[in-house]
Amino acid sequence: GDSVTQMEGPVTLSEEAFLTINCTYTATGYPSLFWYVQYPGEGLQLLLKATKADDKGSNKGFEATYRKETTSFHLEKGSVQVSDSAVYFCALYGNKLVFGAGTILRVKS
Amino acid sequence: NAGVMQNPRHLVRRRGQEARLRCSPMKGHSHVYWYRQLPEEGLKFMVYLQKENIIDESGMPKERFSAEFPKEGPSILRIQQVVRGDSAAYFCASSPSWMAGNTIYFGEGSWLTVV
Repeated sequence: GDSVTQMEGPVTLSEEAFLTINCTYTATGYPSLFWYVQYPGEGLQLLLKATKADDKGSNKGFEATYRKETTSFHLEKGSVQVSDSAVYFCALYGNKLVFGAGTILRVKS
Repeated sequence: NAGVMQNPRHLVRRRGQEARLRCSPMKGHSHVYWYRQLPEEGLKFMVYLQKENIIDESGMPKERFSAEFPKEGPSILRIQQVVRGDSAAYFCASSPSWMAGNTIYFGEGSWLTVV
């Protein structure tokens, strides 16, 4: 069945550092791909999405490009802030939304 | 336009009691999904429902768990005879249709604690 694999965390960075969180997927067909963010004690918020190959999703300085050839959807941000500290989930939607295990990001000032 | 509404936000139950979690989808959304997040883990799919129909329940435990989405009213996730291992955050999500590419919106979750 469909699955998503994310890099394990926690990822600890200093403020203004460059962020990459790797995400690869296995799916039949052509799923839509998402990144969700979860702040402590809260629900999930959609961060960005891409619905077809080579699409780039972007929001709040975060970007991810749908790479069909490498079945990847890596999340990047050029300069992280302390307020970006959260858990980030990569997900795909084929006939249901399937999540990766999540990656904890901690940003130090 | 209200988002996905879940209640209660926090629920404490003793072992053996029943827990009922409610989810009202966004206006105009007829598809509801339930996910469970165990402590320090990711989100696991439980069930996908449309009005009066269960579409996919492949993630539901075989016993004690049930879900419904009636023609009128919210979707209900029901856990009978709760055990400590049921302690988790339960998230509901909704979408306007089954089409891939539609964004699925999440509620803020219901945190169940079994004591």
